[in-house]
Amino acid sequence: EVVLTQSPGTLSLSPGERATLSCRASQSVSSSFLTWYQQKPGQTPRLLIYGASIRATGIPDRFSGSGSGTDFSLTISRLEPEDFAVYFCQHYGSSRLTFGGGTKVEIK
Amino acid sequence: QVQLQESGPALLKPSQTLSLTCTVSGGSISSGGYYWSWVRQRPGKGLEWLGDIFNSGNTHYNPSLRSRLTMSLDTSKNQFSLNVSSVTVADTAVYHCARVKVGGTTFLDHWGQGTLVTVSS
Repeated sequence: EVVLTQSPGTLSLSPGERATLSCRASQSVSSSFLTWYQQKPGQTPRLLIYGASIRATGIPDRFSGSGSGTDFSLTISRLEPEDFAVYFCQHYGSSRLTFGGGTKVEIK
Repeated sequence: QVQLQESGPALLKPSQTLSLTCTVSGGSISSGGYYWSWVRQRPGKGLEWLGDIFNSGNTHYNPSLRSRLTMSLDTSKNQFSLNVSSVTVADTAVYHCARVKVGGTTFLDHWGQGTLVTVSS
């Protein structure tokens, strides 16, 4: 079973700052199956990045994903007011889907 | 545009069976290249995958809940369903159905809005 650990739990930043979120897998995984979602309060998760680094349709280019093996990251280059939300990473493998615990990006 | 909509009871008593249905519009659940999934989110918590069902009817379940889960398809109604037996207060959550795109990569590309299920005596 792959366990995804996200850090930090909460990131307090100001609009315009850069955000770097981490997702660490308990064992090496294929980057093809590493996905990031954004969730705002009361809303459904929104697909941001799949294949570790491919932006989904309509996702601004200030969002980027990178990583391989056990260490992956999501970077928001310059935070916009609408980017303050919770971010989850997700992996699919061995007929099982797992989510990280999430990182909340809040306004400082 | 594919849309998914959950339906089912909002309130259950402990030990009852939760039955949820997801109605899919804008696409066929018989289409290849997709699984159909259930994900839940307990109040204030993260996302928990419950299981997938394929257009063949084959299923994968979260091992920690496998003994209490049953998923099924109704292709004539373009729906898929989830049963959770012997519910407890810990099963109180928002339950989402979702479409999982599979192939060279795998991700949930369309989600239902979710339905809040409360288990209380």
